Amino acid sequence: QVLLVESGGGVVQPGRSLRLSCEASGFTFGSYTMHWVRQAPGKGLEWVALISYDGSNDFYADSVKGRFTISRDNSKNRLSLQMSSLRSEDTALYYCARERGTVRGPHFDDWGQGTLVTVSS
Amino acid sequence: DIQMTQSPSSLSASVGDRATITCRASQSIGRYLNWYQQKPGNVPKVLIYGASSLQSGVPSRFSGSGSGTDFTLTISSLQPEDFATYYCQHSYSTPYSFGQGTKLEIK
Repeated sequence: QVLLVESGGGVVQPGRSLRLSCEASGFTFGSYTMHWVRQAPGKGLEWVALISYDGSNDFYADSVKGRFTISRDNSKNRLSLQMSSLRSEDTALYYCARERGTVRGPHFDDWGQGTLVTVSS
Repeated sequence: DIQMTQSPSSLSASVGDRATITCRASQSIGRYLNWYQQKPGNVPKVLIYGASSLQSGVPSRFSGSGSGTDFTLTISSLQPEDFATYYCQHSYSTPYSFGQGTKLEIK
């Protein structure tokens, strides 16, 4: 079955960097657009970034543009999120999610369990 | 960017009741609207995609409707396991923003 496992979260000081990973299995990773979505403690869902199936296109939320970089290695079934210049407002549980494309539009049909990032001095 | 606004923010209802949650987009998104359910401590789960298509395995008491800017999620007869937070999300263009969520609580 589809499995997405995030890692790399932790406590980091403001202004520092952190790299998250998402290991995928149970499906043909290189055929799917992938996303990062985050959820601050006790808050709602916030879309963060997407990368196309082949890595040729990426898009970001305004709140992370210029600070975060999404990437993928299809040979290793791995999605990454490089986060720099971290701020306290980046504190959240970060999920990777698989996009399912349909004639009725894309949606996220599988999610990892998330990795927690805490930005604090 | 397209903004998504859900109402109400919270809803109190009883088992067996019919529950309706609405979602409004700041501009027309056709039918590129998805609904997710999230229970405390759990990962979000897609219920409805393309405004009205039921995700495989989701009970038929869940239904979605709407197009353009106004959308509705309806739960026809609430079951104990339906008390959760619900989010709408558009997938018309990036950023694929979510609504702020509707917390459905037991009365």
